[in-house]
Amino acid sequence: DAKTTQPNSMESNEEEPVHLPCNHSTISGTDYIHWYRQLPSQGPEYVIHGLTSNVNNRMASLAIAEDRKSSTLILHRATLRDAAVYYCIRNFGNEKLTFGTGTRLTIIP
Amino acid sequence: DSGVTQTPKHLITATGQRVTLRCSPRSGDLSVYWYQQSLDQGLQFLIQYYNGEERAKGNILERFSAQQFPDLHSELNLSSLELGDSALYFCASSDRTSGRADLRDTQYFGPGTRLTVL
Repeated sequence: DAKTTQPNSMESNEEEPVHLPCNHSTISGTDYIHWYRQLPSQGPEYVIHGLTSNVNNRMASLAIAEDRKSSTLILHRATLRDAAVYYCIRNFGNEKLTFGTGTRLTIIP
Repeated sequence: DSGVTQTPKHLITATGQRVTLRCSPRSGDLSVYWYQQSLDQGLQFLIQYYNGEERAKGNILERFSAQQFPDLHSELNLSSLELGDSALYFCASSDRTSGRADLRDTQYFGPGTRLTVL
């Protein structure tokens, strides 16, 4: 089962950190966790990915639990432009990305 | 801007018609993916090509077909269109350098084609 579980929606204040959780309890040892986001009226955009250890890039940080059954995408200082649907995806090498319903993030000015 | 281009941006047609959606991947990307996004189904993978060959198939209807040309651009053909085919169609490309799937592969999505079937 390729499914991940995310809250349907979250709200955060502008310029505050945002922690977006994802549950992937059936993950196997070699699956990567990828995060994409989709801004309104645009195609999905890659955010970050990781396997075991925490990862950072210019857009976000990814914290992966020690047992790998969950992860958290961290936006360090949310802006209005971060309002989007965020998708947490298990990549287990079958070529395609399986998108769930994602988390709709609303940023409050 | 992801570097992936899709044309046309919008397409309005009637039931029973046939349309072709075009995608140009990022320069140098050999893999192209097609996805459909509708309100009730979300983002669904349709099909993938790698260097001209079909690699993976998802929930693609028999009325739909795709191909990837020697210059690596891809076309998605939708025929006998039905009202339910109205959706956003996205193309993505990845920078994989071999035929094998890499779990670190990142996909870069185009802006999409909005298809409306009346």
